[in-house]
Amino acid sequence: GEDVEQSLFLSVREGDSSVINCTYTDSSSTYLYWYKQEPGAGLQLLTYIFSNMDMKQDQRLTVLLNKKDKHLSLRIADTQTGDSAIYFCAEKSGGSYIPTFGRGTSLIVHP
Amino acid sequence: DTAVSQTPKYLVTQMGNDKSIKCEQNLGHDTMYWYKQDSKKFLKIMFSYNNKELIINETVPNRFSPKSPDKAHLNLHINSLELGDSAVYFCASSQEEGSEYNEQFFGPGTRLTVL
Repeated sequence: GEDVEQSLFLSVREGDSSVINCTYTDSSSTYLYWYKQEPGAGLQLLTYIFSNMDMKQDQRLTVLLNKKDKHLSLRIADTQTGDSAIYFCAEKSGGSYIPTFGRGTSLIVHP
Repeated sequence: DTAVSQTPKYLVTQMGNDKSIKCEQNLGHDTMYWYKQDSKKFLKIMFSYNNKELIINETVPNRFSPKSPDKAHLNLHINSLELGDSAVYFCASSQEEGSEYNEQFFGPGTRLTVL
């Protein structure tokens, strides 16, 4: 199976919270990332978390890491139409500098 | 002041042709990458390259070859193009030496269409 898994689609109403989930298999992951890809553009790093942390907050973004279950989530509070994009979960282990990306979750925000 | 740039943005060509995509980064990074994103948005690493080593994803056909004239450039050459090569190709760079979390900076992508 894949090393990093995400659901493919999420649809939310503007103003609601969005939660995008990700699971990974590598127990030696050191860093976990969320990248955002807007239409017609490359990926941009949104946030990251080190594996010895269980939560990181940055304005409207909250990242939760459950290392035991190898589960990562990204919560976007007060979701706006400008948040519509594809969100990629990625992980990197200490043995490699190349991250492994999930397939991406398309977030659709409707009024 | 573009960080990672690629040319061309769009490339339409016939099967069997040979083509190149250029990538340049002005971030002073030591490592560059090529990714392929298919129509389902799946992102697959093709190559990573720094001044020490080239890492090739073993699933990439040898019709694809990266060429780095200097530290700031990593071009992608594709020989004998096939229909299945149609995709968006992303160049990226990162600073590995002395970097903590190794953020990858992506270019805007090159949409390759093989007819």
